[in-house]
Amino acid sequence: SQELEQSPQSLIVQEGKNLTINCTSSKTLYGLYWYKQKYGEGLIFLMMLQKGGEEKSHEKITAKLDEKKQQSSLHITASQPSHAGIYLCGALNYGGSQGNLIFGKGTKLSVKP
Amino acid sequence: NAGVTQTPKFQVLKTGQSMTLQCAQDMNHEYMSWYRQDPGMGLRLIHYSVGAGITDQGEVPNGYNVSRSTTEDFPLRLLSAAPSQTSVYFCASSYVLNSPLHFGNGTRLTVT
Repeated sequence: SQELEQSPQSLIVQEGKNLTINCTSSKTLYGLYWYKQKYGEGLIFLMMLQKGGEEKSHEKITAKLDEKKQQSSLHITASQPSHAGIYLCGALNYGGSQGNLIFGKGTKLSVKP
Repeated sequence: NAGVTQTPKFQVLKTGQSMTLQCAQDMNHEYMSWYRQDPGMGLRLIHYSVGAGITDQGEVPNGYNVSRSTTEDFPLRLLSAAPSQTSVYFCASSYVLNSPLHFGNGTRLTVT
């Protein structure tokens, strides 16, 4: 079955610094979703990528899907305390539960003021 | 527009007790699902439904039942709670199967 590996597991950055989170799939990605979770809350959808080479941006967050569609990155420019939380990548699973989303284990981001 | 509403927010059960976690959405979404989130394990799919009257098992279905009698509601039943079911449970819905999921705020369940 398909697995998603995220790196790093956790990240502490100084406010204003840039950072990148990676998500690598064991199989070709047919849909890659990025979510953010704050402690004690549900997941908030950020972006969805489907095509190889696709890149999307929202405010200071940019997500890319590589040409081979097996890796995605999430880049935050000039980080702020409001960016703190857990970032999860999700992908359509064409293995076990057909078409359902599977998730990576998440990257915990802390931003020091 | 409330989105996905989960109740209760917190629950403590004793081993062997049963209970139902409620989930309701007001977005007329066809697809609904239940995940559990555990430290070091990430989010794992328990059960899902692609429409009223249709349910199917996910990755970790044992010990849980679901039903989907209406488009809006997708309750998760724990038949006989076990300490291994201590977790945070999330309900999610989407317009169709591969649309972005909308998540509820979760139910934190402790089984003693």
